[in-house]
Amino acid sequence: QQQVKQSPQSLIVQKGGISIINCAYENTAFDYFPWYQQFPGKGPALLIAIRPDVSEKKEGRFTISFNKSAKQFSLHIMDSQPGDSATYFCAALVYGNKLVFGAGTILRVKS
Amino acid sequence: GAGVSQSPSNKVTEKGKDVELRCDPISGHTALYWYRQSLGQGLEFLIYFQGNSAPDKSGLPSDRFSAERTGGSVSTLTIQRTQQEDSAVYLCASSYRDRLGNEQFFGPGTRLTVL
Repeated sequence: QQQVKQSPQSLIVQKGGISIINCAYENTAFDYFPWYQQFPGKGPALLIAIRPDVSEKKEGRFTISFNKSAKQFSLHIMDSQPGDSATYFCAALVYGNKLVFGAGTILRVKS
Repeated sequence: GAGVSQSPSNKVTEKGKDVELRCDPISGHTALYWYRQSLGQGLEFLIYFQGNSAPDKSGLPSDRFSAERTGGSVSTLTIQRTQQEDSAVYLCASSYRDRLGNEQFFGPGTRLTVL
């Protein structure tokens, strides 16, 4: 019940295209859903986050869509750029501030 | 200001040896977390410190793993009698405990290789 399932494992997108990464969860007690971006040799960095009282949040080219009834949320990267090539992790917050992470998606944007 | 720092950046050790990994959190952050990232895997929670409260050790995989946080700042993760399956990147993060959304700031990690 503590798991967050993330798909796909890897994704190749053409420059200018839309990258979509999906996550699903079971624990209805989760109340905060962040996405982290990680470049090789670096620690993850917060990209964007959403709480379950809204269905969508947009920051620049990055959008989170949240479906509370389906217990699913997704990250959309519009106009994907080669510099977006990284590993993306979804996560969910458990009481006590312990983040549960998905397994990650390796994104490659081809120029 | 400075971010979360970790040392060493890389550590190679022999099976059976003990290792210590260090984390310096962002100044003023009350919460500190340790995670483990195995090759191609997500982040696995290990332990969480919040102020003077007892740490949440629920993620530690065995009693060979321990961690302490001195003076509410620097933390050390100790792995005793290392095994090859302990090879991973160990990540430290810190945050403000009461900040809405709990943004955790991660360090660059320590890559541990057990031969």
